[in-house]
Amino acid sequence: AQSVTQPDIHITVSEGASLELRCNYSYGATPYLFWYVQSPGQGLQLLLKYFSGDTLVQGIKGFEAEFKRSQSSFNLRKPSVHWSDAAEYFCAVGAGGRGSTLGRLYFGRGTQLTVWP
Amino acid sequence: DAGVTQSPTHLIKTRGQHVTLRCSPISGHKSVSWYQQVLGQGPQFIFQYYEKEERGRGNFPDRFSARQFPNYSSELNVNALLLGDSALYLCASSSRLGQGNTGELFFGEGSRLTVL
Repeated sequence: AQSVTQPDIHITVSEGASLELRCNYSYGATPYLFWYVQSPGQGLQLLLKYFSGDTLVQGIKGFEAEFKRSQSSFNLRKPSVHWSDAAEYFCAVGAGGRGSTLGRLYFGRGTQLTVWP
Repeated sequence: DAGVTQSPTHLIKTRGQHVTLRCSPISGHKSVSWYQQVLGQGPQFIFQYYEKEERGRGNFPDRFSARQFPNYSSELNVNALLLGDSALYLCASSSRLGQGNTGELFFGEGSRLTVL
């Protein structure tokens, strides 16, 4: 069965510091991987996605993520965090392959990011 | 262009009542998915509809139902509300059914349901 683990419930960093949010997934076939961000009272905004090809993907707002099949991981990184990055971050996996649908994603429980000035 | 719109944004119900949540996808999008997000958790898949047909169902009881209309808007219905149904209900739309390099789910801001 598909599942996503985000081991860190809450992370606090200082503005300007680097950031890495961890994500591990469990899926037997070709996974499609996503990172979403959710600000308070808002819906989800897609930061980046991985379907195939280059395992280092670039997203919006200066975020990047690296797919490591051997570790079943898809960690999100940013070299220098801004105060506006404070939000909740969700990693998600979607089924790839024949017959899969885009609309069904499996989400982790999220990592809340706090940024100190 | 308008994004995914959901209504109502907030609502309060009592146990045993019925609720209907509405979603309008992005213009041209034919797929609508519904998710439940309980406080402190990630979204959980409830349904997907594409071209007015159900294409996927998550692990939710039969009290949850949905439908998609000819204009691709959608309704989520929940009967016999329980306290545990209190959550943010998110609607997402996409232009395609299958995965692909251009595939993306666009989420609305959600309907926050409180059951007392």
